[in-house]
Amino acid sequence: GAGVSQSPSNKVTEKGKDVELRCDPISGHTALYWYRQSLGQGLEFLIYFQGNSAPDKSGLPSDRFSAERTGGSVSTLTIQRTQQEDSAVYLCASLPGTSTDTQYFGPGTRLTVL
Amino acid sequence: AQSVTQLGSHVSVSEGALVLLRCNYSSSVPPYLFWYVQYPNQGLQLLLKYTSAATLVKGINGFEAEFKKSETSFHLTKPSAHMSDAAEYFCAVSDQTGGFKTIFGAGTRLFVKA
Repeated sequence: GAGVSQSPSNKVTEKGKDVELRCDPISGHTALYWYRQSLGQGLEFLIYFQGNSAPDKSGLPSDRFSAERTGGSVSTLTIQRTQQEDSAVYLCASLPGTSTDTQYFGPGTRLTVL
Repeated sequence: AQSVTQLGSHVSVSEGALVLLRCNYSSSVPPYLFWYVQYPNQGLQLLLKYTSAATLVKGINGFEAEFKKSETSFHLTKPSAHMSDAAEYFCAVSDQTGGFKTIFGAGTRLFVKA
């Protein structure tokens, strides 16, 4: 593919519902990040996948958040029992190798929790 | 753990004036440093990066940044601002102690006045 894609582009959900956000990285990229971008808050690191290594989950804000990366490619970020404070833009980035490489960002998923 | 501080959440300059966006980092080992830009309604893209080669790094669109170890800084500059430079700019750091995880600053929004 030409770049990183994310779906859906927009998601509106009710408080308490679960949501799944999808990221399709650039083919062949071994590393993948999830970030959260809230208004005026910059990019908040959530989770980092690097090849077959155990993911770095240190940025996940609570146990309601989880992510997986199947087959070293597509990644899904799941938020259970959504809260209003989860409303934000969720960004995915992939990169060829280590974090010294350029990150290629997707367009993001805007999540609104009512 | 590494961290990044961007001084000034908003910076306003006149068209043709010098652009200076400040970034200070904290890292106990040699860092890798990045500047990313997010134009309105677009995804983030890399402006430039420092990976322990030349301390003065040139990026796209006439931007450059200088790594100053003694000041733990990586300020972004452009001699003459253009209206199209209006965007949000993010400084980021990555180093070995964080498993090469990339940490972003809170961002600086640049306004360019005609």
